[in-house]
Amino acid sequence: TQLLEQSPQFLSIQEGENLTVYCNSSSVFSSLQWYRQEPGEGPVLLVTVVTGGEVKKLKRLTFQFGDARKDSSLHITAAQPGDTGLYLCAGRKYSGAGSYQLTFGKGTKLSVIP
Amino acid sequence: DARVTQTPRDKVTEMGQEVTMRCQPILGHNTVFWYRQTMMQGLELLAYFRNRAPLDDSGMPKDRFSAEMPDATLATLKIQPSEPRDSAVYFCASGLVAGMYNEQFFGPGTRLTVL
Repeated sequence: TQLLEQSPQFLSIQEGENLTVYCNSSSVFSSLQWYRQEPGEGPVLLVTVVTGGEVKKLKRLTFQFGDARKDSSLHITAAQPGDTGLYLCAGRKYSGAGSYQLTFGKGTKLSVIP
Repeated sequence: DARVTQTPRDKVTEMGQEVTMRCQPILGHNTVFWYRQTMMQGLELLAYFRNRAPLDDSGMPKDRFSAEMPDATLATLKIQPSEPRDSAVYFCASGLVAGMYNEQFFGPGTRLTVL
């Protein structure tokens, strides 16, 4: 059973369109991160959200953490070919002082067609 | 520009052979993670170290996998003997984990193919 479910798995859109991808769980997380991974490279951190209901913006990307800290969304406005990649969400659970590990979703593979 | 480095970038080997993957974490980072990524399972945590001490290796098949950190500049992941189902991309990540701060910096990965 995957702790973090990401949807959709694949998304192909035209340049200039808007899109939203989702990260859902039945578990509560102390924080949630979004990473982007390009082919042949490791994931790169985009944002960390820690407060329920928190919204963070990174240029054309808007990240939201659910009120109950169980889910998150990533919205991209006016997508560009450079946004193409695998978007991964990763959650850190409450587990005391030693909770250093993240649990990753399987990702949404985004293709933006020029 | 500090980066996590991994060697080799690609490894093709035959079933039964020993494979050693190496990682140089970013200087000053106190936590090192090993992940495996496949299409089917996504990114899975295999093991991690904090201040060079192993904290959790429950994600690793212990009969064939071993992870060590002989010094602060080197982490290794060894598979002996390797099997075709071990074929995957293996990532090392390091971070300066403190309190709520938990950014992980990933290396470029080692693509392992076991024939």
